[in-house]
Amino acid sequence: DTGVSQDPRHKITKRGQNVTFRCDPISEHNRLYWYRQTLGQGPEFLTYFQNEAQLEKSRLLSDRFSAERPKGSFSTLEIQRTEQGDSAMYLCASSYGLAAYNEQFFGPGTRLTVL
Amino acid sequence: AQKITQTQPGMFVQEKEAVTLDCTYDTSDPSYGLFWYKQPSSGEMIFLIYQGSYDQQNATEGRYSLNFQKARKSANLVISASQLGDSAMYFCAMRVDAGNMLTFGGGTRLMVKP
Repeated sequence: DTGVSQDPRHKITKRGQNVTFRCDPISEHNRLYWYRQTLGQGPEFLTYFQNEAQLEKSRLLSDRFSAERPKGSFSTLEIQRTEQGDSAMYLCASSYGLAAYNEQFFGPGTRLTVL
Repeated sequence: AQKITQTQPGMFVQEKEAVTLDCTYDTSDPSYGLFWYKQPSSGEMIFLIYQGSYDQQNATEGRYSLNFQKARKSANLVISASQLGDSAMYFCAMRVDAGNMLTFGGGTRLMVKP
């Protein structure tokens, strides 16, 4: 078990550019989550997948954001036409099972800086 | 909707002493789970402890224990025998059985003094 991995760990981009982040969950986990964390705040939910199906999206996920999880394995989060307000840590988590007690395991995050 | 409130932005504790981090929550769902995560400066969220809404006993995991008071809607984290490595941000979070995501509080920064 290698844990949840995310790539890249850091990304600096200019406003208006597109960026894509990747998350590799723990292999047997069927649920995958994306959260965004701004400086000094707790993480906020963006979206979640069960297998390859995207089942829930937060209102925080504007139409510039798109997430995919082809074949129910890794996931990508793309932000188009980045804005300075998109600067944040983007956290991916995975879990197995439906119950509230199923712990979500987090990756190290991708820190995005938009200049 | 669910809400988590952590009223202590920052706290100091002397090494080897115990410390309590406060967390209150609000939900209308009868079935839910409460989590505490630790986030060191490296950024990764580390799971510490879980308490279910129907659990009769307070959860314990090593030096961590959860003081669960359901009527008061509080789920405070107690860290015994603090260590320098405990210095980090601590987040309380909740997930309801009917939902999927975790709702986090604003966090408490704990600083352990030698």
